[in-house]
Amino acid sequence: DQQVKQNSPSLSVQEGRISILNCDYTNSMFDYFLWYKKYPAEGPTFLISISSIKDKNEDGRFTVFLNKSAKHLSLHIVPSQPGDSAVYFCAARAGANNLFFGTGTRLTVIP
Amino acid sequence: DAGVTQSPTHLIKTRGQQVTLRCSPKSGHDTVCWYQQALGQGPQFIFQYYEEEERQRGNFPDRFSGHQFPNYSSELNVNALLLGDSALYLCASSFRTSGRGGGETQYFGPGTRLLVL
Repeated sequence: DQQVKQNSPSLSVQEGRISILNCDYTNSMFDYFLWYKKYPAEGPTFLISISSIKDKNEDGRFTVFLNKSAKHLSLHIVPSQPGDSAVYFCAARAGANNLFFGTGTRLTVIP
Repeated sequence: DAGVTQSPTHLIKTRGQQVTLRCSPKSGHDTVCWYQQALGQGPQFIFQYYEEEERQRGNFPDRFSGHQFPNYSSELNVNALLLGDSALYLCASSFRTSGRGGGETQYFGPGTRLLVL
């Protein structure tokens, strides 16, 4: 039972343009959401998070949007840079519980 | 500031064998979670250790067991290995004082890639 879904396995974007990565979830008890970035041969690196009491959180070039009614969140990267090329995982948790991860989206930023 | 470290980086075992993977948390962290990441999948939660006890467990059989030491480092043991246990095993650490599971941001190690033949 996949409670967190990333339906796009890959995304290609030109350098300088916006990258939008999407994530859907099914568990209405989830109240905290995170995005992790993973390079080959490395563990996932925390990128940005958002609590369910907010609908937007911004950190530099990265912004996460949360739509609770649609059970959907998205990560926007503006402007995209070649170094952003990686696999991005969406994760969620309910209260103080363990993380549930999506299957990841491979972002390729073309110079 | 040392991050999360894991050893070994790679491991090859045969079916039926046993394996032990090790994790040292980020400095200042007291909680360790273990995840299994199969090829093409996201990490799947195995269990969490805090104060040397297993606090939460995911949907993994009893062949998967763990331990946390007084210095907060942790081991993951897998008995009677199956071909399907081949995966990247990730350790993540965080800091919390509540005694409940995984509230704070988790920081991941590079993982141990296990291949079962």
